[in-house]
Amino acid sequence: NAGVTQTPKFRILKIGQSMTLQCAQDMNHNYMYWYRQDPGMGLKLIYYSVGAGITDKGEVPNGYNVSRSTTEDFPLRLELAAPSQTSVYFCASSFTIGTSVNYEQYFGPGTRLTVT
Amino acid sequence: GIQVEQSPPDLILQEGANSTLRCNFSDSVNNLQWFHQNPWGQLINLFYIPSGTKQNGRLSATTVATERYSLLYISSSQTTDSGVYFCAVGPGGGYQKVTFGIGTKLQVIP
Repeated sequence: NAGVTQTPKFRILKIGQSMTLQCAQDMNHNYMYWYRQDPGMGLKLIYYSVGAGITDKGEVPNGYNVSRSTTEDFPLRLELAAPSQTSVYFCASSFTIGTSVNYEQYFGPGTRLTVT
Repeated sequence: GIQVEQSPPDLILQEGANSTLRCNFSDSVNNLQWFHQNPWGQLINLFYIPSGTKQNGRLSATTVATERYSLLYISSSQTTDSGVYFCAVGPGGGYQKVTFGIGTKLQVIP
């Protein structure tokens, strides 16, 4: 298994541009998450999804959109990029099996985004 | 939401020394993880430990859920242990949001 993969690894955007950060997992996990990490800080939850077609806001959703059309993929869309969105973005996944819930999250390698 | 406090914020160790990192949280949880973020930014799962004690090589962790804290022990530290250690907690109960502490930055010097 490749686990959780993210593309691109690095990106520089100009203010006002848009882009999509890709995230995919091959572990058949039903839960997926997007976090951002600012310098010297912990991770903050942007959006999460409990399954295909279901998404919900996290702590810092403004300026972002997500979709979940398949179990495997959970792209994060930035519209009208702003300098405040300069950060490292991590995608993660976790799973449930029937009524057995394991909240352990598995993280991708991250995408370093700079908006200038 | 749940508040998470990690201590100490910074730690410098001589190679071979032992250390204890602490994570305090403000409410009951049934999801607690420890991560190591290496100098290249990669997040590595160390322990999933909502309660009890686990050990993996030189690392071990204990969570006392009733007293709302968790400890991460690093024994015989090595330079490769350097990085930031994060504690992440969540209330569980089908509610998957987790809150990260701001981490303990560890530097192990030869």
